[in-house]
Amino acid sequence: EAGVTQSPTHLIKTRGQQATLRCSPISGHTSVYWYQQALGLGLQFLLWYDEGEERNRGNFPPRFSGRQFPNYSSELNVNALELEDSALYLCASSSGRLRNTGELFFGEGSRLTVL
Amino acid sequence: KNEVEQSPQNLTAQEGEFITINCSYSVGISALHWLQQHPGGGIVSLFMLSSGKKKHGRLIATINIQEKHSSLHITASHPRDSAVYICAVSNRDDKIIFGKGTRLHILP
Repeated sequence: EAGVTQSPTHLIKTRGQQATLRCSPISGHTSVYWYQQALGLGLQFLLWYDEGEERNRGNFPPRFSGRQFPNYSSELNVNALELEDSALYLCASSSGRLRNTGELFFGEGSRLTVL
Repeated sequence: KNEVEQSPQNLTAQEGEFITINCSYSVGISALHWLQQHPGGGIVSLFMLSSGKKKHGRLIATINIQEKHSSLHITASHPRDSAVYICAVSNRDDKIIFGKGTRLHILP
């Protein structure tokens, strides 16, 4: 069974551009979580989607947005890129609410570099 | 003060040593997670705990809810255990707060 897949693996953009990152959860998983790991910083929660709806978001500006499609795959969009958006973006999925199911499965991440 | 604190930040040990990584948190949680991140960035979920103790192979995780503290132990450590170990807590709204991680290096 395929795990969580993310694309692209690497992405280079310039300041002011937009970046789109994609995530396909494990088959049957309805919850998708996005995290940012900037250099020297720990993982930070970005967004949580479940059943097609945004359920929660972290302390990030509105330039960070996303959506979840009917097949539960998800897209993270970052508009008006800034240099400090350079980071590893990780997607994780779970089969339901974390408090019920408990386990997160992570993708390999998309490394975004903003020049 | 961070809501999730891990110690030590860095740990180098010889192969075979018993390893302990500690995690303290200051918020209410529904569960605590231990994650392993390898150099390429990929993350694997090792444990989810809401009470007591769990064991998987050479890995043991414990949590003390009253003291808001968890430990991850590795017995008979091996160079392939070298990775960053991250403690994270989740609340009832599924928001996760991560510790900054412990970088473990096991020498052969």
